[in-house]
Amino acid sequence: GESVGLHLPTLSVQEGDNSIINCAYSNSASDYFIWYKQESGKGPQFIIDIRSNMDKRQGQRVTVLLNKTVKHLSLQIAATQPGDSAVYFCAENRYSGGGADGLTFGKGTHLIIQP
Amino acid sequence: DVKVTQSSRYLVKRTGEKVFLECVQDMDHENMFWYRQDPGLGLRLIYFSYDVKMKEKGDIPEGYSVSREKKERFSLILESASTNQTSMYLCASSWGRRRLGLTDTQYFGPGTRLTVL
Repeated sequence: GESVGLHLPTLSVQEGDNSIINCAYSNSASDYFIWYKQESGKGPQFIIDIRSNMDKRQGQRVTVLLNKTVKHLSLQIAATQPGDSAVYFCAENRYSGGGADGLTFGKGTHLIIQP
Repeated sequence: DVKVTQSSRYLVKRTGEKVFLECVQDMDHENMFWYRQDPGLGLRLIYFSYDVKMKEKGDIPEGYSVSREKKERFSLILESASTNQTSMYLCASSWGRRRLGLTDTQYFGPGTRLTVL
């Protein structure tokens, strides 16, 4: 899920298939992780979050997996729909236990849904 | 539903002008944040506030200041706008559980696209 240079990684999937978006995070002390969806011209929209005391959390059609050993986060979207086309960002809290300390964002992954 | 609003969707200013970006949230959130978003760089934290009249620097505070006189309102100020401050500016807010050391979901506004000529 991390970008190289100025180009966002792109994931292209067929409508109806499952999508998996990956993210490597940087701070081994982070204890809160969150996924956002951003459509063109809009602000980021909350999808799902997870705290470090969990490995997996499920929402409606979405699942977040957290692997603290390798500092990896993934977002799974089931039965992808055209409305899922967007840029997806992972984020971690900047300092564990800080509370109101803001988030550090990954560069984003562009999800494209093919009919 | 949480609602975070920003005063302008698009803004064009000239180099050297003083610029105010306003953000209002209606959920009685304690914490408010300002980010900028640039292609290839993602979202970067400029400043944040965890209480009225309180502010803390984020990762890129240079060239910016903030003001939080009321709980629901958080302003970002560019004292003397420069072309490298052309960007998308995003405001966010979250519940405050700082005393518990917990981070909560941040809710974002629609953004202000600022162009400095």
